[in-house]
Amino acid sequence: EVQLVESGGGLVQPGGSLRLSCAASGFNFITSWMHWVRQAPGKGLVWVSRINSNGVTTTYADSVKGRFTISRDNAKNTVYLQMDSLRADDLAVYYCARGDAWLPYSWGQGTLVIVSS
Amino acid sequence: QSVVTQPPSASGTPGQRVTISCAGANFNIGSNYVYWYQHLPGTAPKLLIYKSSERPAGVPDRFSGSKSGTSASLAISELRSEDEAHYYCAAWDDRLSASVFGGGTKLTVL
Repeated sequence: EVQLVESGGGLVQPGGSLRLSCAASGFNFITSWMHWVRQAPGKGLVWVSRINSNGVTTTYADSVKGRFTISRDNAKNTVYLQMDSLRADDLAVYYCARGDAWLPYSWGQGTLVIVSS
Repeated sequence: QSVVTQPPSASGTPGQRVTISCAGANFNIGSNYVYWYQHLPGTAPKLLIYKSSERPAGVPDRFSGSKSGTSASLAISELRSEDEAHYYCAAWDDRLSASVFGGGTKLTVL
C-alpha cells in the first residue's frame, strides 16, 4: 500500500522559512516522480513543484519559483520542499504525491503551513 | 483565474448520470493528457482518471473520462450520495512548463 506522510508544517512569520518532508513507502520510490500540490483555505488545488526519480529535473509553479526548492533523498525514501521568503498567500495545506512526469497519482494527507505575524 | 476552466458547481439525483466539463487550450489539454481527481474536505485527493481516459485499479467503472480537442469531460453514471465531493481536472501546460489544475467543481447529490 502506498503511504505518503508529510511533516514539517506549522506557523511561520512572513519572510521566514520552513522545510516540509514527505516519507514514502509501499512503492518503488527511487523510480518515481514526486510532486507537491497545495490548497489554500476555501480554494482549489494548485500544483507547486515536481522532481524526477534521480533529482536532476525539477520544475516549479511561477508563484513559488526562486523561493521554494524541491529535493529528494532516495536512500531515505523522502522528498523535501524547502520554502523560503514565505508570504501570507503561501498559507495552505501542502500535499506530497507520487505520480508520473506530469501529475500526481497517490497523495498524502497533507500538512498545514500558516504564514502569519 | 485558472488557465483550465471548470463549472463551479454541478448537481444530480441518485441514479442519474452527470458530466463535468474542463475547458483549456491547445498548449495544455489540446496537447497533453488530462487527469481527474475527487476531493473530500479534510482527506487526501483521489485520482479517478489518468491519461485522459484510463481508470486506476479500484475506481468504479461508473467514472469515465474523455477528451476532444481542447476540452475534456468526466462522466459519473449511477450517481450515489457518496459521490458528493469536489472534482478537479488537471493537465500539463506547455506554455507555463508546469501542471495546472482547474478551479474545481462541487458536485451535489440532491
